[in-house]
Amino acid sequence: LAKTTQPISMDSYEGQEVNITCSHNNIATNDYITWYQQFPSQGPRFIIQGYKTKVTNEVASLFIPADRKSSTLSLPRVSLSDTAVYYCLVGDKDGTNAGKSTFGDGTTLTVKP
Amino acid sequence: KAGVTQTPRYLIKTRGQQVTLSCSPISGHRSVSWYQQTPGQGLQFLFEYFSETQRNKGNFPGRFSGRQFSNSRSEMNVSTLELGDSALYLCASSPGTSGGEQFFGPGTRLTVL
Repeated sequence: LAKTTQPISMDSYEGQEVNITCSHNNIATNDYITWYQQFPSQGPRFIIQGYKTKVTNEVASLFIPADRKSSTLSLPRVSLSDTAVYYCLVGDKDGTNAGKSTFGDGTTLTVKP
Repeated sequence: KAGVTQTPRYLIKTRGQQVTLSCSPISGHRSVSWYQQTPGQGLQFLFEYFSETQRNKGNFPGRFSGRQFSNSRSEMNVSTLELGDSALYLCASSPGTSGGEQFFGPGTRLTVL
């Protein structure tokens, strides 16, 4: 079971780049790394997914080193609306892991004006 | 394309009662997963159904059960409710085959008195 560890909270200011790192030391060969964003009283929303190296989409980038024991979610130029909890999930490509899906505690990002 | 819908959105029950929650996945998605979210335990995986069969199961007692219908709609049932079952119950759908993220519904807020 790939347990994930993330910082509990982070603060940033509007317009800055934010990097959130997730540790997953015992990631399995077939595991993907997926990041979700959650606002209060809403379900998590997919941000980005990757297996190795770097993945970029319109909202974020995901950096995964060669050993895959950690990953970093990068949010460019954050705004107040990016204030949310960010979860790192390690598992099968569709986000599950043979019944052992673990979201971890998430990182509460607070963006200040 | 309509998103994942969950009913009811809010529910209040008393200890010892049972409850049934419903989830309608995105059209064409065959996998439905259920999660429990509490302030203390975070997001925890309950089970996943794929094509009417339970494919994965988390570490919850037998009081928590589910099923999936031929149209992929899913229900979860909690019997003999306990105070600790108060939580946000989230349903997520995905295509269920390799590839594709999970799409979460808004959740059902269950309060056990």
